[in-house]
Order: sequence, then structure tokens, then C-alpha cells
Amino acid sequence: GAGVSQTPSNKVTEKGKYVELRCDPISGHTALYWYRQSLGQGPEFLIYFQGTGAADDSGLPNDRFFAVRPEGSVSTLKIQRTERGDSAVYLCASSLGGRSPLHFGNGTRLTVT
Amino acid sequence: GESVGLHLPTLSVQEGDNSIINCAYSNSASDYFIWYKQESGKGPQFIIDIRSNMDKRQGQRVTVLLNKTVKHLSLQIAATQPGDSAVYFCADLYNFNKFYFGSGTKLNVKP
Repeated sequence: GAGVSQTPSNKVTEKGKYVELRCDPISGHTALYWYRQSLGQGPEFLIYFQGTGAADDSGLPNDRFFAVRPEGSVSTLKIQRTERGDSAVYLCASSLGGRSPLHFGNGTRLTVT
Repeated sequence: GESVGLHLPTLSVQEGDNSIINCAYSNSASDYFIWYKQESGKGPQFIIDIRSNMDKRQGQRVTVLLNKTVKHLSLQIAATQPGDSAVYFCADLYNFNKFYFGSGTKLNVKP
């Protein structure tokens, strides 16, 4: 079946601009996660959704970052006033929740110039 | 926050040999652990998982060992193949909803 889909695969933007990153999870997966991965490092937790609500957003670095999942399926990660330090690969994962494995998409590589 | 770390950042093995990748976790309350494989330009791919009520679990060519006493996890790959070359991450489930990842071990398989 279809896996987790993330679009765009690459995004280049100028410092100060606004960006949206989209994630289509596996159908039926109630849990959705956003992670950020810098070069040579492991994924860093950003936010977790159970259904439509953000159950844990403690990993969002500051109030420039925001994520939504209005219908409990597709999620959008929004970054305002982008900074060069936001450059990274943003990974989305979905799961059945609880003690079940995360299934990752291939990520969006964000470059802020 | 809690951390999950790996002992060896890079591991080189000969094709056909067995590989062992190690991981230490810090949160004694973690009760679910996963190993992932990540190839360049791709997202992490699930390999195998284990719950804290087990100390060993086997898959196809892979075995995960869990030692809760010393908070240590290992991934054993039998008869390592060139296609196994990748970065391997362990992750632990904290507070039932947050997975923490280590920094990864790069596995190089020499033909």
C-alpha cells in the first residue's frame, strides 16, 4: 500500500519567508509525528498528533513553528519568518499509535538562503 | 529531555560477516524500542522492534537484544550484505507518545 507522502521533496526559500510542508500519512493511522533532522544527526521530535489534536508540541523550537491536522489525516507544518538555522530535513511519520512503529516519509529538505 | 546514544559512530565490516550495532538509552521508563535503517536521501525505514517485557527478538537476518538492567540495546545483522550499508538508529518510546532517536551508526559493508 501507499506509504507516507511528503511534499515538496525540496524547498528553497529566502530568509524571512513563510513556508508550508505537507504530509499525507498512511490511511488509517491515527498518530502523526513531525521530526527534524540535521546532517549527521538523528531525527529530533517536533510535534505529535493523535487524531486532529496536537497531543504534544513540546519539540517545536519557538512560536514561528506551527502544525495543523484539521481532519485527522493530512498535516501541514508551517514555519514563519524562516531563518537559516531552520535548514534541515523535515520528516513526517505516522503510526497506529502507542507501542507501534513509526512509518516515515522521505522528508522535505528545506534550505533557507 | 531523554537521550538515546550509540557507542560507535562508524562500523566497517566485511561482506558475509555479522554486524553488531549498539545503543544506550537513558530513560528507565522507556518500554518500547525500535531500530531503523536510513539510506541517503530517504526517510528512516523500520527494521525491528521490541517491548520491554522481552529481552530478545528475531527477524529475518536481524536480532535485537535488550538489556534493561544496563539500559542497552543492540542490533545484530547476520551475513551482512552490501545493501545493508546505511545509517542505523535506535529509538525509544518515552511517555507513551514521544520517540527519541540516537545520533546513528554508519555501517559500511566492504565487498
